[in-house]
Amino acid sequence: RKEVEQDPGPFNVPEGATVAFNCTYSNSASQSFFWYRQDCRKEPKLLMSVYSSGNEDGRFTAQLNRASQYISLLIRDSKLSDSATYLCVVTVNTGFQKLVFGTGTRLLVSP
Amino acid sequence: SAVISQKPSRDICQRGTSLTIQCQVDSQVTMMFWYRQQPGQSLTLIATANQGSEATYESGFVIDKFPISRPNLTFSTLTVSNMSPEDSSIYLCSVEVADTYNEQFFGPGTRLTVL
Repeated sequence: RKEVEQDPGPFNVPEGATVAFNCTYSNSASQSFFWYRQDCRKEPKLLMSVYSSGNEDGRFTAQLNRASQYISLLIRDSKLSDSATYLCVVTVNTGFQKLVFGTGTRLLVSP
Repeated sequence: SAVISQKPSRDICQRGTSLTIQCQVDSQVTMMFWYRQQPGQSLTLIATANQGSEATYESGFVIDKFPISRPNLTFSTLTVSNMSPEDSSIYLCSVEVADTYNEQFFGPGTRLTVL
């Protein structure tokens, strides 16, 4: 079983749509959780950290369910500029908190 | 966050040669990391480079192939040695910024093609 699993997509949505991405992780001891965004031929950029209480940043809402080992990202009112690959990332304790990346979910927002 | 630069941004190399990639950060950081992202794949950690100690390599990566230097708190290098076409990839450095919960910030990457 992969350490972090995501639906690779692509998700094709029109502008203004709401889209949700899901992610599961296998290590119940993982402590930190993130969503990164990666544009084509660019480096990953931190979109948001994910907390147990859930957190929101503008149009983006992230949720964490530790019992189910499940993370989600909701994007409301999608913009063309939201088109990118969204990487689910968790930490694994190997003496330090190592980041383990999912394979990413590709989002395409069309006019 | 941190501002991270990498050199070169891209290179095309012949098999059997070596390439050294530089990573420079605009502030002092304890932990620096080197990743590889192969075409169509996600990121895989190569090694952790902490100043004052030897790099720690992940399973499948060895020092002879990927020697790393970390001479100070703002700089690191990764060398890809004796390259083969299978080493064609994007190589990224990242840093963990103090007082964040394990958040890492990435350099722009080095796109390597080995012929």
